[in-house]
Amino acid sequence: DAGITQSPRHKVTETGTPVTLRCHQTENHRYMYWYRQDPGHGLRLIHYSYGVKDTDKGEVSDGYSVSRSKTEDFLLTLESATSSQTSVYFCAISGSGRNLGGELFFGEGSRLTVL
Amino acid sequence: AQKVTQAQTEISVVEKEDVTLDCVYETRDTTYYLFWYKQPPSGELVFLIRRNSFDEQNEISGRYSWNFQKSTSSFNFTITASQVVDSAVYFCALSEPMFSGGYNKLIFGAGTRLAVHP
Repeated sequence: DAGITQSPRHKVTETGTPVTLRCHQTENHRYMYWYRQDPGHGLRLIHYSYGVKDTDKGEVSDGYSVSRSKTEDFLLTLESATSSQTSVYFCAISGSGRNLGGELFFGEGSRLTVL
Repeated sequence: AQKVTQAQTEISVVEKEDVTLDCVYETRDTTYYLFWYKQPPSGELVFLIRRNSFDEQNEISGRYSWNFQKSTSSFNFTITASQVVDSAVYFCALSEPMFSGGYNKLIFGAGTRLAVHP
């Protein structure tokens, strides 16, 4: 199993509060991703990182920011949580170099409820 | 823009039936990768297969088989002699090229929920 840890695994918060989800990997993979999963939408990419301090937006990035200060950690921040951000959030990693088109390995998910 | 369509929202079968999950994709790229993932009721996402755009050979792995047809932009997944343990949500995904290099960014379909009844 890929060494990916997400924290917290479950969180309930109130509208307007900041929330940070953490993804930690032990695989030394270059690429890291944050997806959200919602019924009827599958998984949608929020942000991804292709190296330390190198990040880019995905298709649903509004209301989210990310940071990657070291290879093993990728943080997702909701500056001011809204009820529409209630979702299950998955972190994923994939290799680099010759591993073009490599599969993603996913963490166990973080369930966030915004009241 | 890339897109993945899984038209079947839910499928219900009885154990030992064969079942095919459909996946249709859209892309303008000549190089791309296709994937299938399984999400059992426990919630984790399990990688099943990767196929690149230059390899149209069908693949078989035990009771699982995949049919890739570029002419119809489809990458269908068949489970032969289904079992209760196959009950899960299955996602098809398409790689999107990244300006940083590589094809490691995936676009997912909405998923197909498969229920296999004893």
